[in-house]
Amino acid sequence: AQTVTQSQPEMSVQEAETVTLSCTYDTSESDYYLFWYKQPPSRQMILVIRQEAYKQQNATENRFSVNFQKAAKSFSLKISDSQLGDAAMYFCAYRSNNQGGKLIFGQGTELSVKP
Amino acid sequence: NAGVTQTPKFQVLKTGQSMTLQCAQDMNHEYMSWYRQDPGMGLRLIHYSVGAGITDQGEVPNGYNVSRSTTEDFPLRLLSAAPSQTSVYFCASSLRGGAVWEKLFFGSGTQLSVL
Repeated sequence: AQTVTQSQPEMSVQEAETVTLSCTYDTSESDYYLFWYKQPPSRQMILVIRQEAYKQQNATENRFSVNFQKAAKSFSLKISDSQLGDAAMYFCAYRSNNQGGKLIFGQGTELSVKP
Repeated sequence: NAGVTQTPKFQVLKTGQSMTLQCAQDMNHEYMSWYRQDPGMGLRLIHYSVGAGITDQGEVPNGYNVSRSTTEDFPLRLLSAAPSQTSVYFCASSLRGGAVWEKLFFGSGTQLSVL
């Protein structure tokens, strides 16, 4: 069975600095997608970034980028120039064609941003 | 721009009571799903549907029923609430049948407490 692990329950970063959130996953499939979702205190789930497994190039979205290491099954999220609005719970998630659209989530990392 | 609408936002039940969590989307999405979020466990899939009249179980289906009579609505029923069902519930949808690359649109969640 596929699993997603986020080993950092909490992280903290100074405003304007860079922080990296870790995520590892386990799968025997070759065709899948990986996602990072942000959940602010409002509880809304917001898609931050997604990565196709067959693409070697790391995805980027403005200040957010990923380091996708397929062989190591690692998918970390880097947030550059951190802002107070980045404070939230971040979830790493996995999805494959063989799972009926099911998203498998990690446990989450609570990110705080210090002014 | 309603998107995915969940009602109610908060609910308190007594053990043994039944209730229905409502989910509606106005984007003509084929795929709809229900997740529950528990501290330290991320989100887990309860049930999903790839179209009207079609439903299937997810990772944690016990104690929950669903039906999909229309494309727009996907209610989640708790037949006899238990304290273990205290959680935050999210409904999510996407355009097609859970294709792996698609973005999931989430509702704002329902906080359920079972006493």
